[in-house]
Order: sequence, then structure tokens, then C-alpha cells
Amino acid sequence: ETGVTQSPTHLIKTRGQQVTLRCSSQSGHNTVSWYQQALGQGPQFIFQYYREEENGRGNFPPRFSGLQFPNYSSELNVNALELDDSALYLCASSLGFGVSGGFFGQGTRLTVV
Amino acid sequence: KQEVTQIPAALSVPEGENLVLNCSFTDSAIYNLQWFRQDPGKGLTSLLLIQSSQREQTSGRLNASLDKSSGRSTLYIAASQPGDSATYLCAVSRQGDSSYKLIFGSGTRLLVRP
Repeated sequence: ETGVTQSPTHLIKTRGQQVTLRCSSQSGHNTVSWYQQALGQGPQFIFQYYREEENGRGNFPPRFSGLQFPNYSSELNVNALELDDSALYLCASSLGFGVSGGFFGQGTRLTVV
Repeated sequence: KQEVTQIPAALSVPEGENLVLNCSFTDSAIYNLQWFRQDPGKGLTSLLLIQSSQREQTSGRLNASLDKSSGRSTLYIAASQPGDSATYLCAVSRQGDSSYKLIFGSGTRLLVRP
């Protein structure tokens, strides 16, 4: 079992609402990456935070935003929710550049109705 | 643009069979390639990680190979068991990127029948 915890595990939101998802990183890890996984698909990279700064972003609109705190935990915020935002959201904790290996959390299942 | 493809999309085999899952990628400038296991509705567990300078990695009944020049990787599972039933995902990271900016394939759903 990894030290990466995501909360909440499940939630249901209404179209147009805003949501915040949380991820705690593994002890000693300074990088958190967020992914969106639609049903039956592989995860898609949303963005990554390295030492509290955004370090790359995938093909997601600005209503997907994030934050990393001094303890390296992270939040993913999604504004103006759309039905297509329904997915499993995964975070991964790692040591950033030059070092391989990391751990994924168990994910947050978001349903937008 | 890097694209990762996994074949087959689904596979059903009887218990005890040896099997091979395939992964291909379009850009050989990778930093590493990983194979993950995902149980339904759960997170990802890393099975094997192959650095770009390596040709293969082994862990127990699992063996993963990497051929950068042809843009291919295979995951070999020996003596499959019902507990191996899961979705298997391969992912690559690009040279110059931090290791967890991953590009995933769509996965192979494996069912091992008792």
C-alpha cells in the first residue's frame, strides 16, 4: 500500500458546479501529477506540480487548475463542470527530475449529472 | 506527438497459460517505459519499469522487454492465474521530462478463467 491518499473517494456533482479534489504525496516526494481517466480509456495527463510550481500541462482547458502546498500535497480544482468531466481522477507522487519511480493514489470517482 | 497503442484491447485465457501483451509507441525518444496493473475502479500499481538504456526487466512471473528502435514493448506473463485478471497499461515518459509525465495506452483487459 502506498502513502498517496486521495479524497474524497467518490462524489457526485451537478453540471456547472465546482469541485476540489485532494491528494497527499508520499513522504519525501516533491512532485504530484494529476490524470483523468475516462471509462475504458488510459489516463490522460492533466498537469504536474514540482516544488509548488506548475511543471507542464496536458491538453485541458483553464477551468482545470491546481495547487501544491509546502508539504507537497496538492489540489485539483475544476470549475463549470461538464458531463464529460465524469471520470476517475488519479494523482501520482514522485521525486521529479532524474529519478524514476513513484506511486499512484486510489483515485477519486467524479460523476457529473 | 507521442502515441501509445496496446494490442489486444481484451484477452481471455484459461488458467496456466503463458501470454504476451503488446505495447507500441511512435516516438523512440523516451526516458522510460512502465507497465501498470489496474483493478476495476482502482488506482494504478507499477509492475515493471524499464529505463531507455535497458532491454528488459523481470519480476516473478512477469517479464517486460523494450525495443526502442522498433517502438515496441511486450509484457510476458508466465503461468497465468485468476488473480492476474485486471487491466494492464503501458506508459512512456519523454526524454527531458520528469518521470511521471506519462503517456498511456488504452490498456489490455485480461481475464484468466479458472
